[in-house]
Amino acid sequence: GNSVTQMEGPVTLSEEAFLTINCTYTATGYPSLFWYVQYPGEGLQLLLKATKADDKGSNKGFEATYRKETTSFHLEKGSVQVSDSAVYFCALSGGDYKLSFGAGTTVTVRA
Amino acid sequence: GAVVSQHPSRVICKSGTSVKIECRSLDFQATTMFWYRQFPKKSLMLMATSNEGSKATYEQGVEKDKFLINHASLTLSTLTVTSAHPEDSSFYICSASILSGRGYEQYFGPGTRLTVT
Repeated sequence: GNSVTQMEGPVTLSEEAFLTINCTYTATGYPSLFWYVQYPGEGLQLLLKATKADDKGSNKGFEATYRKETTSFHLEKGSVQVSDSAVYFCALSGGDYKLSFGAGTTVTVRA
Repeated sequence: GAVVSQHPSRVICKSGTSVKIECRSLDFQATTMFWYRQFPKKSLMLMATSNEGSKATYEQGVEKDKFLINHASLTLSTLTVTSAHPEDSSFYICSASILSGRGYEQYFGPGTRLTVT
């Protein structure tokens, strides 16, 4: 079946630091890959996505590239802000449109 | 953008009682809604897929008689936790799916914190 493994947190960073959250997946076929973000007290929001190999999703300074050869979709941001403090979830969707989530990574950015 | 609401946001109930959670898509029609359960510091676990006008499809290990799902309209799905027990205490999240020019996208509600005493 489909599964997602992402880097365990929590991750604590200073403002303007570089952020990487690793995500690898197992899936049959050609899944779509997503990063969702959950800010404190809010629901999940789609941060970015990629639907085929070598696609790069980007939003709000975050980027992730769909790497089929390494079955990875690592999330990166070059300079984080306090407002980026949240829980980040990597997810994939197969042909049935169901989402399989990773365990989530809590990121705290300190001023 | 597409907004999904849930009500209530928090509920405390006594063991043995039933609790209903509503999920609404506010500005779009959703033929498919999903119900998830999120355990502390763990991922979201898909409980069931709900299609308007038909019976919900439950994931393996989820008791359909305990977690009743009704998808009465294109904008409303409800989850009823029947005869709740403390182990049912959790964060329940719904999402609504819409087909856009970028394919199917899920929009998530803010979640409902259920505490069973």
